[in-house]
Amino acid sequence: DTGVSQDPRHKITKRGQNVTFRCDPISEHNRLYWYRQTLGQGPEFLTYFQNEAQLEKSRLLSDRFSAERPKGSFSTLEIQRTEQGDSAMYLCASTRGGQFNEKLFFGSGTQLSVL
Amino acid sequence: AQSVTQLGSHVSVSEGALVLLRCNYSSSVPPYLFWYVQYPNQGLQLLLKYTTGATLVKGINGFEAEFKKSETSFHLTKPSAHMSDAAEYFCAVSSGSARQLTFGSGTQLTVLP
Repeated sequence: DTGVSQDPRHKITKRGQNVTFRCDPISEHNRLYWYRQTLGQGPEFLTYFQNEAQLEKSRLLSDRFSAERPKGSFSTLEIQRTEQGDSAMYLCASTRGGQFNEKLFFGSGTQLSVL
Repeated sequence: AQSVTQLGSHVSVSEGALVLLRCNYSSSVPPYLFWYVQYPNQGLQLLLKYTTGATLVKGINGFEAEFKKSETSFHLTKPSAHMSDAAEYFCAVSSGSARQLTFGSGTQLTVLP
């Protein structure tokens, strides 16, 4: 396993700008998750893909957020019209199988700072 | 609905002392329970998990946790702390039809020399 890769590691943007993050899961992992983590808090679920299908979205995911996973491989998370409240660490995780007791493999995250 | 409460956002222990990190969960159905560890600038790593069967679960790096249904708890322990154990620890639950983990707010463990 080469691990879950996230790009970029850090992103600084001005309020109102759009940003896009990329996640490359471990090869052959069919499930991919996006989480958001703010300082002093645990990761909060944003959305989940099984292969290319987005099966669940959190209420945290406003209409400014969109995620895709074309062809069931890498995934992108886009935030439009960023706000200061979007500043957080965005984590991607992947796993395989159909059970929800499986180990998640996390990337190191993308730290977003909105000025 | 599922939720996790971690008591104590910061815990300090001396090297060689017992580590005890507390986790209580809420779930309307039998849960799956997890402990993840996050080292600085690294992704979260699974320490151990409880799904079914034996209630005492052993994980990596000498950690273990016991599922106590009557107390809705899943506390993490290690008999003897090592400096390398300093990190942030997250308890998480997955249950019922939930397809994702719900994490606690984390406990920062400091190991004193």
